[in-house]
Amino acid sequence: DVVMTQSPLSLPVTLGQPASISCRSSQSLVYSDGNTYLNWFQQRPGQSPRRLIYKVSNRDSGVPDRFSGSGSGTDFTLKISRVEAEDVGVYYCMQGMYWPSFGQGTRLEIK
Amino acid sequence: EVQLVESGGGLVQPGGSLRLSCAASGFTFSNYWMHWVRQAPGKGLVWVSRINTDGSTTDYADSVKGRFTISRDNAKNTFFLQMNSLRAEDTAVYYCARDAPGGLVDYWGQGTLVTVSS
Repeated sequence: DVVMTQSPLSLPVTLGQPASISCRSSQSLVYSDGNTYLNWFQQRPGQSPRRLIYKVSNRDSGVPDRFSGSGSGTDFTLKISRVEAEDVGVYYCMQGMYWPSFGQGTRLEIK
Repeated sequence: EVQLVESGGGLVQPGGSLRLSCAASGFTFSNYWMHWVRQAPGKGLVWVSRINTDGSTTDYADSVKGRFTISRDNAKNTFFLQMNSLRAEDTAVYYCARDAPGGLVDYWGQGTLVTVSS
């Protein structure tokens, strides 16, 4: 099974400051078609998860451009350029290479 | 607009059964694999099961294999999770989700809470 490891697990951030979350997979997520399938989700308190980023770096419709994804192979990063109050929640990376699996989640809070 | 609406959650005793449903709208349901993902109280997301477009292929997490059964009714744009031999550790919010390229998911329902307790 592919294990997804996120860090940090808790991320206190001052409003307006940047934030970065790392996600590492135990195996390469490069598929036979040459694409890398790695998604990022945001789960606000009391809500369902919402996809932010697909295929490593593609923002979903309606996602603010302060969110960006990057990485390759086994190492991936979600960055928020300037944190806003509405960004509070838990962020998860997800892979679907074999059996789908998620990272443990990173809880972002305002300092 | 893609919509997924779960139902069927509730309180059940250990060893009991429950059937969850997920009603889909806003997309051509029969063209998509579908998934169930769960989240225990205060915990992270855990993938549970998936089903292919015509129901002929199903996959399960080891923790539910042999106890849970996923199925679908394309005529009714609905898929299901039959949960038998429920355990306390199955207590969670169960989300249905639509498949996305790469074995991932994109859209999620609002979730339905399953509580296994005596």
